[in-house]
Amino acid sequence: SQKIEQNSEALNIQEGKTATLTCNYTNYSPAYLQWYRQDPGRGPVFLLLIRENEKEKRKERLKVTFDTTLKQSLFHITASQPADSATYLCALDAAGNNRKLIWGLGTSLAVNP
Amino acid sequence: GAVVSQHPSWVICKSGTSVKIECRSLDFQATTMFWYRQFPKQSLMLMATSNEGSKATYEQGVEKDKFLINHASLTLSTLTVTSAHPEDSSFYICSARAGVYGYTFGSGTRLTVV
Repeated sequence: SQKIEQNSEALNIQEGKTATLTCNYTNYSPAYLQWYRQDPGRGPVFLLLIRENEKEKRKERLKVTFDTTLKQSLFHITASQPADSATYLCALDAAGNNRKLIWGLGTSLAVNP
Repeated sequence: GAVVSQHPSWVICKSGTSVKIECRSLDFQATTMFWYRQFPKQSLMLMATSNEGSKATYEQGVEKDKFLINHASLTLSTLTVTSAHPEDSSFYICSARAGVYGYTFGSGTRLTVV
């Protein structure tokens, strides 16, 4: 069955360090992979989208890689700040008219000052 | 940027009553909106896809008579939880496809049925 796995354990890092979050998937060939941030009691906020033919995408302090051979995406936050503390979700997006997102459980990130 | 406004942000209702949640696209037209439910420590679960002017498409296992979706205009979709029971207590989130690739989410509605 199709499955998306993210680090189930919370990630604690020191301010200024780089946070790396992992998203692995099986039995799926996504056209796009997206990363979202979700704060407690709030809806997800879109961060980055990377296409299957792209290896890497950057946006300010954020970097996403996409390895379709390994079926893995890595999400990096450089120079992390306490304000980056949140849950980060990856979502797979199939091409075609029925563009539903399939979600991972998310990884909780805590950046300690 | 594209903004989706969702109301109310929280609601407490008595068992057996109905609750309506509104989702509005403020600065763009949303022909398609999505309704999700999220339980604590769980991932977002798609409930239904709402298309303007037509019937919603429900995911397997979601009761369409219990979760009524109306998408009467390009800027408004509503989810009505009918005859709510405590097991319907959850976090409900709507989203709309803004542009070719992006999805914008509402801020969510915390429903508590007592």
